[in-house]
Amino acid sequence: GAGVSQSPSNKVTEKGKDVELRCDPISGHTALYWYRQSLGQGLEFLIYFQGNSAPDKSGLPSDRFSAERTGGSVSTLTIQRTQQEDSAVYLCASRGGTVDNSPLHFGNGTRLTVT
Amino acid sequence: AQSVTQLGSHVSVSEGALVLLRCNYSSSVPPYLFWYVQYPNQGLQLLLKYTTGATLVKGINGFEAEFKKSETSFHLTKPSAHMSDAAEYFCAVSVAYKYIFGTGTRLKVLA
Repeated sequence: GAGVSQSPSNKVTEKGKDVELRCDPISGHTALYWYRQSLGQGLEFLIYFQGNSAPDKSGLPSDRFSAERTGGSVSTLTIQRTQQEDSAVYLCASRGGTVDNSPLHFGNGTRLTVT
Repeated sequence: AQSVTQLGSHVSVSEGALVLLRCNYSSSVPPYLFWYVQYPNQGLQLLLKYTTGATLVKGINGFEAEFKKSETSFHLTKPSAHMSDAAEYFCAVSVAYKYIFGTGTRLKVLA
């Protein structure tokens, strides 16, 4: 079956521009996560959506970052006024069910380069 | 607070040799533990997971991991390395809906 799909796979933008990253989770998965992976570092949690509940935004690094999830499915991560330190791979993951022993299923990520 | 420590950011082994990737965790409650593998330009793929029950967990591609509560460890092993095992490996712990990842270990397999 189809996995988690992210687009674009690569994005190059100029400093100060806004970017939108898209994530299509696995059909039926109610939980959706965004992570940021910087070179040589682990995965940094950004935001978590579960069904219709209020998202956990505690990982967003600044108010330039925002995310939404429409209709409990597709999610968009928006970065406004991009900075060079925003350059990283942004990974989306989804999970079926609500139990925390279920594994996350990851997309291939969007590699963002801010010039 | 939960945390994960992976010892060794880079590990090199010869083809056919034992692979041992170390992971220690910190958790105030019984943890759920995972190992993921990441190949270049791809997302993370689940290798195996520990929830409850048997402490030796078998995963895909011949990997296995042993949960040792007394040592708070969940090390990943494979008896014989293959060239295709070259990748980055991440250990993760989940409590409630939070998944905490280690910083990863890059495995290099030498011919």
